[in-house]
Amino acid sequence: EAQVTQNPRYLITVTGKKLTVTCSQNMNHEYMSWYRQDPGLGLRQIYYSMNVEVTDKGDVPEGYKVSRKEKRNFPLILESPSPNQTSLYFCASSRVVTVGNEQFFGPGTRLTVL
Amino acid sequence: AQRVTQPEKLLSVFKGAPVELKCNYSYSGSPELFWYVQYSRQRLQLLLRHISRESIKGFTADLNKGETSFHLKKPFAQEEDSAMYYCALAFAGAGSYQLTFGKGTKLSVIP
Repeated sequence: EAQVTQNPRYLITVTGKKLTVTCSQNMNHEYMSWYRQDPGLGLRQIYYSMNVEVTDKGDVPEGYKVSRKEKRNFPLILESPSPNQTSLYFCASSRVVTVGNEQFFGPGTRLTVL
Repeated sequence: AQRVTQPEKLLSVFKGAPVELKCNYSYSGSPELFWYVQYSRQRLQLLLRHISRESIKGFTADLNKGETSFHLKKPFAQEEDSAMYYCALAFAGAGSYQLTFGKGTKLSVIP
């Protein structure tokens, strides 16, 4: 089944403890992206990647890192999580960027930083 | 700077009534606009894109460049339309492609 997967789905951690949220897609998509969803703020783009080894900042990149060593994987790294990073995180992917391309979203990862 | 505004956080309508979810955008270039929907406990998924000019699940949306709007409409609401709706603007630059989402409108269809 063509899909975007994220792990873990739920995570509770403490301030300062490094964590990684994995994202994988099996659709051979070039474009991948991370968003965070907060009540009243909607979805905000954190980082995106146009292709392997090409990443760029979205609207809210502070406190996050990403890497794109393989086409299918796009992990989100929080080196030193803080409580303001408590949020619902979505990974998405799409085919090579053309007009009107559909983003396919993962199921979400709910992160709580204590 | 690019911006997407969805003025209503919550919209409640009765079943069978018309629905209009508002979306206004701010972007100096040629906009790509989308509506995404998130049903309860499901993933965010594409509903409509302006480039296709299609009708999905009875919903339509027309890009009005003069009013910088991309409102989502349906003539007769159904209970299964209850969901969170996000308007999104995609914009491309040299080697970049970003999406900006509105804050979302929660549609509640009352039986």
